Amino acid sequence: NAGVTQTPKFQVLKTGQSMTLQCAQDMNHEYMSWYRQDPGMGLRLIHYSVGAGITDQGEVPNGYNVSRSTTEDFPLRLLSAAPSQTSVYFCASSYGPDTGELFFGEGSRLTVL
Amino acid sequence: GIQVEQSPPDLILQEGANSTLRCNFSDSVNNLQWFHQNPWGQLINLFYIPSGTKQNGRLSATTVATERYSLLYISSSQTTDSGVYFCAVERITNAGKSTFGDGTTLTVKP
Repeated sequence: NAGVTQTPKFQVLKTGQSMTLQCAQDMNHEYMSWYRQDPGMGLRLIHYSVGAGITDQGEVPNGYNVSRSTTEDFPLRLLSAAPSQTSVYFCASSYGPDTGELFFGEGSRLTVL
Repeated sequence: GIQVEQSPPDLILQEGANSTLRCNFSDSVNNLQWFHQNPWGQLINLFYIPSGTKQNGRLSATTVATERYSLLYISSSQTTDSGVYFCAVERITNAGKSTFGDGTTLTVKP
Protein backbone atom coordinates (compact mmCIF):
# COMPACT_ATOMS: atom_id res chain seq x y z
CA ASN A 1 0.00 0.00 0.00
CA ALA A 2 1.85 3.09 -1.28
CA GLY A 3 -0.25 5.78 0.49
CA VAL A 4 0.64 9.29 -0.74
CA THR A 5 3.44 9.41 -3.31
CA GLN A 6 5.22 12.63 -4.30
CA THR A 7 7.73 13.12 -7.09
CA PRO A 8 10.36 14.38 -7.46
CA LYS A 9 11.94 14.35 -3.99
CA PHE A 10 14.51 16.97 -4.95
CA GLN A 11 14.56 19.60 -7.70
CA VAL A 12 16.71 22.60 -8.55
CA LEU A 13 15.28 25.23 -10.88
CA LYS A 14 16.44 28.51 -12.31
CA THR A 15 14.30 31.62 -11.90
CA GLY A 16 11.58 31.67 -14.54
CA GLN A 17 11.53 27.93 -15.23
CA SER A 18 8.36 25.94 -14.86
CA MET A 19 7.78 22.54 -13.33
CA THR A 20 5.11 20.23 -11.92
CA LEU A 21 5.22 18.44 -8.59
CA GLN A 22 3.28 15.21 -8.83
CA CYS A 23 1.11 13.77 -6.07
CA ALA A 24 -0.82 10.50 -6.17
CA GLN A 25 -2.76 8.60 -3.51
CA ASP A 26 -4.15 5.08 -3.65
CA MET A 27 -6.50 5.26 -0.64
CA ASN A 28 -9.57 6.56 -2.51
CA HIS A 29 -9.44 9.78 -0.49
CA GLU A 30 -11.71 12.63 -1.53
CA TYR A 31 -9.65 15.45 -0.06
CA MET A 32 -6.17 16.37 -1.25
CA SER A 33 -4.01 19.39 -0.48
CA TRP A 34 -0.60 20.97 -0.99
CA TYR A 35 1.43 22.67 1.74
CA ARG A 36 4.76 24.39 1.82
CA GLN A 37 7.10 24.42 4.80
CA ASP A 38 9.76 27.07 5.20
CA PRO A 39 12.60 26.76 7.74
CA GLY A 40 11.44 27.01 11.35
CA MET A 41 7.81 27.38 10.39
CA GLY A 42 4.68 25.33 10.26
CA LEU A 43 2.95 24.15 7.12
CA ARG A 44 1.03 26.69 5.05
CA LEU A 45 -1.77 25.62 2.74
CA ILE A 46 -1.28 26.44 -0.96
CA HIS A 47 -4.27 24.81 -2.69
CA TYR A 48 -6.71 22.10 -1.81
CA SER A 49 -9.39 19.92 -3.42
CA VAL A 50 -12.49 18.30 -1.95
CA GLY A 51 -13.08 16.07 -4.96
CA ALA A 52 -12.34 15.51 -8.63
CA GLY A 53 -12.97 18.69 -10.60
CA ILE A 54 -13.05 20.90 -7.48
CA THR A 55 -10.11 23.02 -6.31
CA ASP A 56 -9.75 26.09 -4.15
CA GLN A 57 -7.08 28.42 -2.85
CA GLY A 58 -5.43 28.16 0.50
CA GLU A 59 -3.37 30.66 2.46
CA VAL A 60 -0.50 31.14 -0.04
CA PRO A 61 -1.76 30.35 -3.57
CA ASN A 62 0.10 32.98 -5.63
CA GLY A 63 2.49 31.53 -8.19
CA TYR A 64 0.93 28.05 -8.10
CA ASN A 65 -1.74 26.27 -10.14
CA VAL A 66 -3.51 22.98 -9.49
CA SER A 67 -6.04 20.72 -11.16
CA ARG A 68 -7.87 17.56 -10.06
CA SER A 69 -8.97 15.54 -13.04
CA THR A 70 -9.00 12.23 -11.13
CA THR A 71 -9.53 11.24 -7.50
CA GLU A 72 -6.01 9.82 -7.33
CA ASP A 73 -3.88 12.69 -8.68
CA PHE A 74 -3.35 16.30 -7.61
CA PRO A 75 -0.39 17.94 -9.40
CA LEU A 76 1.02 21.32 -8.34
CA ARG A 77 2.38 23.56 -11.11
CA LEU A 78 4.87 26.38 -10.82
CA LEU A 79 4.54 28.41 -14.01
CA SER A 80 7.49 30.77 -13.50
CA ALA A 81 9.62 29.82 -10.51
CA ALA A 82 10.92 32.51 -8.15
CA PRO A 83 13.53 32.25 -5.37
CA SER A 84 10.71 32.89 -2.85
CA GLN A 85 9.30 29.49 -3.83
CA THR A 86 12.33 27.69 -2.45
CA SER A 87 10.75 25.43 0.15
CA VAL A 88 9.76 21.90 1.05
CA TYR A 89 6.41 20.93 -0.41
CA PHE A 90 4.09 18.35 1.09
CA CYS A 91 1.05 16.72 -0.44
CA ALA A 92 -1.64 15.33 1.85
CA SER A 93 -4.90 13.45 1.53
CA SER A 94 -7.84 12.47 3.73
CA TYR A 95 -11.20 10.74 3.42
CA GLY A 96 -13.14 13.93 4.06
CA PRO A 97 -14.94 15.88 6.80
CA ASP A 98 -15.37 14.24 10.21
CA THR A 99 -12.98 11.47 9.22
CA GLY A 100 -10.29 13.92 8.28
CA GLU A 101 -7.08 12.20 9.39
CA LEU A 102 -4.39 13.61 7.11
CA PHE A 103 -1.83 11.39 5.45
CA PHE A 104 1.28 13.07 4.08
CA GLY A 105 3.71 12.29 1.33
CA GLU A 106 7.45 12.35 2.07
CA GLY A 107 7.92 15.86 0.75
CA SER A 108 9.65 17.49 -2.23
CA ARG A 109 12.56 19.84 -1.63
CA LEU A 110 12.63 22.60 -4.25
CA THR A 111 15.45 25.12 -4.69
CA VAL A 112 15.04 28.06 -7.06
CA LEU A 113 18.28 29.84 -7.99
CA GLY B 1 -8.74 32.92 9.49
CA ILE B 2 -8.36 30.68 12.50
CA GLN B 3 -5.26 31.18 14.64
CA VAL B 4 -3.31 28.25 16.09
CA GLU B 5 -0.73 28.84 18.81
CA GLN B 6 1.58 26.16 20.17
CA SER B 7 3.66 26.31 23.29
CA PRO B 8 6.40 26.07 24.24
CA PRO B 9 8.25 26.75 20.97
CA ASP B 10 11.26 24.76 22.15
CA LEU B 11 11.69 22.07 24.78
CA ILE B 12 14.83 20.23 25.90
CA LEU B 13 14.47 17.15 28.10
CA GLN B 14 16.58 14.41 29.55
CA GLU B 15 15.63 10.91 28.52
CA GLY B 16 12.95 9.54 30.83
CA ALA B 17 11.34 12.90 31.60
CA ASN B 18 7.69 13.74 30.96
CA SER B 19 6.37 16.72 29.00
CA THR B 20 3.18 18.52 28.03
CA LEU B 21 2.73 20.38 24.77
CA ARG B 22 -0.16 22.80 24.29
CA CYS B 23 -2.20 23.92 21.29
CA ASN B 24 -4.62 26.85 21.53
CA PHE B 25 -6.99 27.74 18.70
CA SER B 26 -9.14 30.80 18.14
CA ASP B 27 -12.40 29.33 16.81
CA SER B 28 -14.59 26.24 16.96
CA VAL B 29 -13.15 23.27 15.10
CA ASN B 30 -14.43 19.89 14.03
CA ASN B 31 -11.03 18.38 13.35
CA LEU B 32 -7.81 18.52 15.37
CA GLN B 33 -4.72 16.44 14.79
CA TRP B 34 -1.27 16.12 16.30
CA PHE B 35 1.71 15.29 14.09
CA HIS B 36 5.33 14.44 14.71
CA GLN B 37 7.91 15.54 12.16
CA ASN B 38 11.02 13.44 12.62
CA PRO B 39 14.54 14.70 11.92
CA TRP B 40 14.27 13.33 8.36
CA GLY B 41 11.27 15.52 7.66
CA GLN B 42 8.56 12.84 7.67
CA LEU B 43 5.18 13.88 9.05
CA ILE B 44 3.50 11.18 11.11
CA ASN B 45 -0.06 11.48 12.36
CA LEU B 46 -0.13 10.85 16.11
CA PHE B 47 -3.74 11.57 17.02
CA TYR B 48 -6.96 12.59 15.36
CA ILE B 49 -8.70 14.12 18.37
CA PRO B 50 -11.41 16.78 17.84
CA SER B 51 -12.55 16.18 21.43
CA GLY B 52 -11.92 13.90 24.40
CA THR B 53 -8.85 11.90 25.35
CA LYS B 54 -6.85 9.25 23.52
CA GLN B 55 -3.79 7.26 24.45
CA ASN B 56 -1.24 5.41 22.37
CA GLY B 57 1.58 3.88 24.37
CA ARG B 58 3.62 6.62 26.03
CA LEU B 59 1.70 9.35 24.24
CA SER B 60 -1.71 10.70 25.07
CA ALA B 61 -3.76 13.69 23.98
CA THR B 62 -6.70 15.62 25.33
CA THR B 63 -8.82 18.17 23.51
CA VAL B 64 -11.24 20.47 25.35
CA ALA B 65 -13.15 21.84 22.39
CA THR B 66 -15.34 24.18 24.44
CA GLU B 67 -12.22 25.91 25.80
CA ARG B 68 -10.36 25.74 22.49
CA TYR B 69 -7.20 23.92 23.46
CA SER B 70 -5.52 20.57 23.16
CA LEU B 71 -2.67 18.98 25.11
CA LEU B 72 -0.18 16.34 24.03
CA TYR B 73 1.50 14.37 26.82
CA ILE B 74 4.74 12.49 26.32
CA SER B 75 5.79 10.25 29.18
CA SER B 76 9.17 8.60 29.75
CA SER B 77 10.61 10.41 26.76
CA GLN B 78 13.15 8.70 24.49
CA THR B 79 15.69 10.17 22.10
CA THR B 80 13.53 8.96 19.22
CA ASP B 81 10.80 11.36 20.38
CA SER B 82 12.96 14.27 19.21
CA GLY B 83 11.59 16.36 16.38
CA VAL B 84 8.87 18.91 15.83
CA TYR B 85 5.31 18.41 17.03
CA PHE B 86 2.55 20.16 15.12
CA CYS B 87 -1.07 20.75 15.90
CA ALA B 88 -3.47 21.22 12.97
CA VAL B 89 -7.12 22.23 13.07
CA GLU B 90 -9.98 22.43 10.59
CA ARG B 91 -13.30 24.24 10.85
CA ILE B 92 -16.48 22.61 9.59
CA THR B 93 -17.12 25.70 7.45
CA ASN B 94 -13.71 25.21 5.78
CA ALA B 95 -13.66 21.53 5.01
CA GLY B 96 -10.36 20.44 3.50
CA LYS B 97 -8.43 23.46 4.84
CA SER B 98 -6.22 22.52 7.74
CA THR B 99 -4.35 25.26 9.59
CA PHE B 100 -1.10 24.35 11.34
CA GLY B 101 0.59 25.90 14.32
CA ASP B 102 4.30 26.76 14.18
CA GLY B 103 5.19 23.66 16.17
CA THR B 104 7.10 22.71 19.30
CA THR B 105 10.68 21.55 18.74
CA LEU B 106 11.50 18.77 21.21
CA THR B 107 15.04 17.64 21.88
CA VAL B 108 15.51 14.61 24.12
CA LYS B 109 19.06 14.16 25.38
CA PRO B 110 20.45 10.74 26.38
